[in-house]
Amino acid sequence: EPEVTQTPSHQVTQMGQEVILRCVPISNHLYFYWYRQILGQKVEFLVSFYNNEISEKSEIFDDQFSVERPDGSNFTLKIRSTKLEDSAMYFCASKNQGGPNQPQHFGDGTRLSIL
Amino acid sequence: GDSVTQMEGPVTLSEEAFLTINCTYTATGYPSLFWYVQYPGEGLQLLLKATKADDKGSNKGFEATYRKETTSFHLEKGSVQVSDSAVYFCALSDNTDKLIFGTGTRLQVFP
Repeated sequence: EPEVTQTPSHQVTQMGQEVILRCVPISNHLYFYWYRQILGQKVEFLVSFYNNEISEKSEIFDDQFSVERPDGSNFTLKIRSTKLEDSAMYFCASKNQGGPNQPQHFGDGTRLSIL
Repeated sequence: GDSVTQMEGPVTLSEEAFLTINCTYTATGYPSLFWYVQYPGEGLQLLLKATKADDKGSNKGFEATYRKETTSFHLEKGSVQVSDSAVYFCALSDNTDKLIFGTGTRLQVFP
């Protein structure tokens, strides 16, 4: 069964450094998402992306965050200058159709640790 | 705004016991409802879904019914196995297409 893949599985970065988290969505999917889960807390929506532009973003997704689909297969999340509070598990998700009825398919996540 | 509330965990059961994990939601419209499961060290996997009132989602022996009158989507299984040990997330998707998750409920099943 096709799956969403994320790399790396664990990223350790010094505070203030830039980090790029990578995702390869399922190949025929057109809608892409990033979520994060701070340890012990809820999974929170960050951003949705369709047709090469952001569809919606949460208040967490400030100017330090950006997303890009640089080619036909990758979908990246960049944090420009990391803070300690960015430490979390980051999940990428995708789906092939819009609308609330279609389920999103998730990757295994990247654990980001900021020192 | 829209929100999802789940029962606190952990839920600890013996194998073959009956499972209920409560989930209630608040939404202005008519959302779709989902249960996702996260096994240790893995990502979120869709377990089941329901897209309108009175729909019942089912998969792998798990069931949940979309109850509009009580704004609930409780997860049930008649006989749990050790392999069902995981964290279970209730979620809704509104017209904006994003998922809104509950806090997750950890299930531990012992032989």
